[in-house]
Amino acid sequence: LAKTTQPISMDSYEGQEVNITCSHNNIATNDYITWYQQFPSQGPRFIIQGYKTKVTNEVASLFIPADRKSSTLSLPRVSLSDTAVYYCLVDSLDSNYQLIWGAGTKLIIKP
Amino acid sequence: NAGVTQTPKFQVLKTGQSMTLQCAQDMNHNSMYWYRQDPGMGLRLIYYSASEGTTDKGEVPNGYNVSRLNKREFSLRLESAAPSQTSVYFCASRKTGASSYNEQFFGPGTRLTVL
Repeated sequence: LAKTTQPISMDSYEGQEVNITCSHNNIATNDYITWYQQFPSQGPRFIIQGYKTKVTNEVASLFIPADRKSSTLSLPRVSLSDTAVYYCLVDSLDSNYQLIWGAGTKLIIKP
Repeated sequence: NAGVTQTPKFQVLKTGQSMTLQCAQDMNHNSMYWYRQDPGMGLRLIYYSASEGTTDKGEVPNGYNVSRLNKREFSLRLESAAPSQTSVYFCASRKTGASSYNEQFFGPGTRLTVL
């Protein structure tokens, strides 16, 4: 099972680019990396998903090196509304469907 | 579309009482999940259902039972509630297939307190 490790918390300022790195040393060949955002008293919300190299959508980029043992979520030009907890999830579509969520990174954006 | 709905939103139980948390989705998803989230922690998978009529244990299944009533509905039952089951419970669903790893859609959660 691929356990994930992320920083517990990070601070940044409005307008900055924020990079959150997640390590997943035991990732398997068929695993994908998915990032979710969670605001207080709400369920997590999907941000981005990738398998290798770089994926970009309208809100974020995801960088995955060739060995796939880590991944970096990049949030461009953050605003106060990006203050949330960000989770890295290794999505294992094996016979046990073991979806292992890390503790998440609490991101605080300051004015 | 309502997405994923959960009832109730809040519940207080006494130790030993039973209750069922309800979850429904209107996105025609085949897979559904139940998670618990303790304060300051990540989500932990309790049970999941890969398709109608099937259920499987996740990381923390003890003390819980589930029923996949039909494709839309997936319920979680606590037969004899314990204080350790005080948590926020999230239901999620997604479309899965042989080669798809799609996003999970989450409900708003049920905040359960067991006294």
